[in-house]
Amino acid sequence: AQSVTQLGSHVSVSEGALVLLRCNYSSSVPPYLFWYVQYPNQGLQLLLKYTTGATLVKGINGFEAEFKKSETSFHLTKPSAHMSDAAEYFCAVTGGATNKLIFGTGTLLAVQP
Amino acid sequence: KAGVTQTPRYLIKTRGQQVTLSCSPISGHRSVSWYQQTPGQGLQFLFEYFSETQRNKGNFPGRFSGRQFSNSRSEMNVSTLELGDSALYLCASSPSTSGNTDTQYFGPGTRLTVL
Repeated sequence: AQSVTQLGSHVSVSEGALVLLRCNYSSSVPPYLFWYVQYPNQGLQLLLKYTTGATLVKGINGFEAEFKKSETSFHLTKPSAHMSDAAEYFCAVTGGATNKLIFGTGTLLAVQP
Repeated sequence: KAGVTQTPRYLIKTRGQQVTLSCSPISGHRSVSWYQQTPGQGLQFLFEYFSETQRNKGNFPGRFSGRQFSNSRSEMNVSTLELGDSALYLCASSPSTSGNTDTQYFGPGTRLTVL
C-alpha cells in the first residue's frame, strides 16, 4: 500500500522568504513521487517528479525537491517566494503496476507582501 | 498541443438525477484517469481507461462508471446522484508509454453541485 503525508495544511511565508513544503511517503515498492500545484478554480499542474536517478529534482517556477529514501521524504523548496506562488500544493505517489496517483491532503501556501 | 479539455465546466443537478461528464485528452495520449476532489476527502482516484478498457478502479460505488472511446475521449457517469457527490471532477491524460512514471496532465475540472 502507498500513502503520502503532507505536514501543515496551511503555510504562510513572506515574499522573498524560503518556501518549504513537507511531504513524507510510505510505499512497499520503489516510489515515484510528484508535486502538483493547483490555483483557484483550475486543475492540477505538474511542478516536478522523481522517478529514478538523481535525487535532487528541479521543476518549473524555481521549485525543487529532494528524494531522501532514508527519511522517506520528498520536500518541496523554493529559495525565494513570489506572490504568484500562492496556491495549493499536492504531493503524490505512484508505484508498482499502476499509475494511479495517491495524493496527500494538500498544503495551502500564502505569500505575504 | 491543446491541453486536456473537460465539459461542461459547471453543472447543477438534483438528488436522484444522473450526470455525464466528458473529457478529451491531449492528442496522442491513450490513458485517461478520473479523480474526485472534495474538501473532506481530498483527491481520490476513480478509475483509469486505456485503449477503451478500464485498467484500474478506485473504491467508489457502482453508481460511478466510465467509458473510453476509440479516439481516447472519455466520459464518466454518475447515476442516482447524492448530495455527497458534489465535487470537482478532474480528468487526467497520459501517454502511458512508460507506465507509472508517466506524467499525468490534468484538465480544469467539472464542478458538480448536487442540490
